[in-house]
Amino acid sequence: AQSVTQPDIHITVSEGASLELRCNYSYGATPYLFWYVQSPGQGLQLLLKYFSGDTLVQGIKGFEAEFKRSQSSFNLRKPSVHWSDAAEYFCAVGSPSGGYQKVTFGTGTKLQVIP
Amino acid sequence: DGGITQSPKYLFRKEGQNVTLSCEQNLNHDAMYWYRQDPGQGLRLIYYSQIVNDFQKGDIAEGYSVSREKKESFPLTVTSAQKNPTAFYLCASSHTGGNGYTFGSGTRLTVV
Repeated sequence: AQSVTQPDIHITVSEGASLELRCNYSYGATPYLFWYVQSPGQGLQLLLKYFSGDTLVQGIKGFEAEFKRSQSSFNLRKPSVHWSDAAEYFCAVGSPSGGYQKVTFGTGTKLQVIP
Repeated sequence: DGGITQSPKYLFRKEGQNVTLSCEQNLNHDAMYWYRQDPGQGLRLIYYSQIVNDFQKGDIAEGYSVSREKKESFPLTVTSAQKNPTAFYLCASSHTGGNGYTFGSGTRLTVV
């Protein structure tokens, strides 16, 4: 069974500092990997996705993530955090299953940005 | 603009009552999903549908029901059998394949 672990429940960074959010997955083959962001009271927005190819993936809002098969990780990074990045971030692993994507979400990391 | 519309945004229900949450998409996506979100638990899959008139149970289907009479619509009914229905409910859709989900803005259900 596929699973996702986000070991950090809550992270606080200063505005302008770099950010790395950790994600480890468990899956038997090459997974589909996603990062989503959720503002309070809103739905989730897709930041980036990895299916195959280049292991460094660029996303929206200046985010990037790197797939490391040997570490079963897909960490999210941003070189300089803005106050508007404060939100909750979810890592997810997916697999095609017939015509449907089976996607499993992590429990989320809440990011606080301080001035 | 294409997207997913969930309504209402806030919903209050008395214990013992059924309530239906609406989800409509104009993205021409084949698959639609319902998730429940509780603090610290991530998203848990309730039901999903790959095509019209067909749907499958997810991980926490007990106390919920769905229908898929049109490609665009996937309403969720929270029945009185659901023991702890207060939660944030998210609807999502996707093409077949692996492009990721598009989410609605959610419905917060509170049982009073």
